Amino acid sequence: EIVLTQSPATLSLSPGETATLSCGASQSLSRNFLAWYQQKPGLAPRLVIYDVFMRATGIPDRFSGSGSGTDFTLTISRLEPEDSAVYYCQQFVNSPLTFGGGTRVEIK
Amino acid sequence: QVQLVQSGAEVAKPGASVRVSCKASGYTFTNYYIHWVRQAPGQGPEWMGWIDPESADTNYAQKFHGRVTMSRDKSISTAYMELSSLTSDDAAVYYCLRVPCNINVCSPQNWFDPWGQGTLVTVSS
Repeated sequence: EIVLTQSPATLSLSPGETATLSCGASQSLSRNFLAWYQQKPGLAPRLVIYDVFMRATGIPDRFSGSGSGTDFTLTISRLEPEDSAVYYCQQFVNSPLTFGGGTRVEIK
Repeated sequence: QVQLVQSGAEVAKPGASVRVSCKASGYTFTNYYIHWVRQAPGQGPEWMGWIDPESADTNYAQKFHGRVTMSRDKSISTAYMELSSLTSDDAAVYYCLRVPCNINVCSPQNWFDPWGQGTLVTVSS
């Protein structure tokens, strides 16, 4: 099973700053089979990024994904209050599909 | 638009079973794999398995083998997930999800969009 470790657990930033979220995989993801989701309280997760760097429909270009192998990053530029949420990474290289434990982004 | 609408919250006793439904609309139900994940409070999602709505083929996570059954009713575009022998560890929000592309060209192992709204399952005596 591929374990995904996300860091930091919590990010507290001001509007306009840049958030850098990390997702580390216990094995190399041999293809770009990594996605990121945003979850706000009481709601289902929402797709943000797929295939490492592709933005989902309706996601602003302030969100970008990068990485390869075992290290992946979600970057949120020019933070806005609406970006406050928990973000999860997910791998779909191997079964079982797995998710990280999440990073909470708080906007001061 | 593509939508997955799940059944309402459930309260079940330890040792009992629970069944959650997921009604699809806005697309051809039989053309896209449906997955189920669950999310315990404060935790990341946990994948449970998938079903091919056309053939009813399934693939379950090893952790849930013998306790989970995924099924579907093509006539009403609805998928079901039943979990048996419930314990307090099964208390979570359960989600159905769809993969992004047609079964003919898409691996069942994929990213997910959209998600259902979630069904809260409480296990209590």
